[in-house]
Amino acid sequence: SQTIHQWPATLVQPVGSPLSLECTVEGTSNPNLYWYRQAAGRGLQLLFYSVGIGQISSEVPQNLSASRPQDRQFILSSKKLLLSDSGFYLCAWSTGGTDIQYFGAGTRLSVL
Amino acid sequence: RKEVEQDPGPFNVPEGATVAFNCTYSNSASQSFFWYRQDCRKEPKLLMSVYSSGNEDGRFTAQLNRASQYISLLIRDSKLSDSATYLCVVPLSGGSYIPTFGRGTSLIVHP
Repeated sequence: SQTIHQWPATLVQPVGSPLSLECTVEGTSNPNLYWYRQAAGRGLQLLFYSVGIGQISSEVPQNLSASRPQDRQFILSSKKLLLSDSGFYLCAWSTGGTDIQYFGAGTRLSVL
Repeated sequence: RKEVEQDPGPFNVPEGATVAFNCTYSNSASQSFFWYRQDCRKEPKLLMSVYSSGNEDGRFTAQLNRASQYISLLIRDSKLSDSATYLCVVPLSGGSYIPTFGRGTSLIVHP
């Protein structure tokens, strides 16, 4: 069966520090991968999605970036975090033949 | 008009009640729709898919009204454990891999 792993679960970082969040999927190949952010009390904001290795599409311009170095690995990065980067970051995957997404457990990021 | 709109609620209902949520969408070409459930501080989880003929799973019924461009979720015999936020999801267009999530409707079921 397919599983998605996302870590860390919680992260507290100072303003201006770098960020790296990792997400891996097991049990499937060539998944579509997504990064979302959910601010407190808000909806899901799509940040990046990828349909294949090295293929990244950005939905929202910001100081975040994403990379997909391997088929089932998706990384979210920042060189310098801002206070406004705080939120709940969720990775998700879907197969090419369906629009159903499956989410990782998320990373709760607090930038102080 | 926003792509996907939901009443944020909260809907505050007693156990055993029947409650319904609607979700309106703007893209008339959308083909498949979904309801997700999100518990507090947790990730969203798929609750139901919604197809043209509707879908029923136990106490939950999802329906599509394509003419009026909305989907609905009906919960019968509400349980305390149904308390959560319910998100509707609409792909931007048929075959697209870019879904649009509504902001969610909060449900609180009280004793």
